[in-house]
Amino acid sequence: QVQLQESGPGLVKPSETLSLTCLVSGGSINNYYWSWIRQAPGKGLEWIGYIFYMGSTHYNPSLKNRITISLDTSKKQFSLKLSSLTAADTAMYYCARTIAVAGTFAFDLWGQGTLVTVSS
Amino acid sequence: SYELTQPPSVSLSPGQTASITCSGDKLGAKYACWYQQKSGQSPVLVIYQNYKRPSGIPERFSGSHSGNTATLTISGTQAMDEADYYCQAWDTSSVLFGGGTKLTVL
Repeated sequence: QVQLQESGPGLVKPSETLSLTCLVSGGSINNYYWSWIRQAPGKGLEWIGYIFYMGSTHYNPSLKNRITISLDTSKKQFSLKLSSLTAADTAMYYCARTIAVAGTFAFDLWGQGTLVTVSS
Repeated sequence: SYELTQPPSVSLSPGQTASITCSGDKLGAKYACWYQQKSGQSPVLVIYQNYKRPSGIPERFSGSHSGNTATLTISGTQAMDEADYYCQAWDTSSVLFGGGTKLTVL
């Protein structure tokens, strides 16, 4: 079955740029949106943004100036870059397959998450 | 800014029916989803488009929507249902999540 696996550094320094990748295995990357979602320790979920398989993107307005999401269909993976990191960006970062239904979105498959700590 | 409000916690005994609400201005004009997140695990979609259940989700999970409130109902709650539950909706320019409800099965 389809599985998602995040990868990236567990520790990054303040002011640096975080780079994460999500590998999609066991299925196609086509015909879906693909999202990044994060969860600060002990807190709720925060949507970061999505990319459509054809390349269009949409970002959380509160993070928009710091985010880039890209897609490599040949490798069946998509990536997140988050710049100007602060301690507030410390969180579990999840990638998720995103379905568009009746003009709304739902996250029907999640990766296991990767914990990112921002600290010097 | 637009917000989705959930009760912080709900507690009940096994076999009882749990109702978790999610409220927000204009939520009546939007579709709601619900996610279950057990301790140390990734979230799982349990309801989408207000009331639809993904494949593999038990029938005891149901969703409804009235006015500006969406409700997740778990009938015959089991110990395995103990988890955090999050509602989610799309609001013009962003995906929003509720703050989460911790369901405790005593």
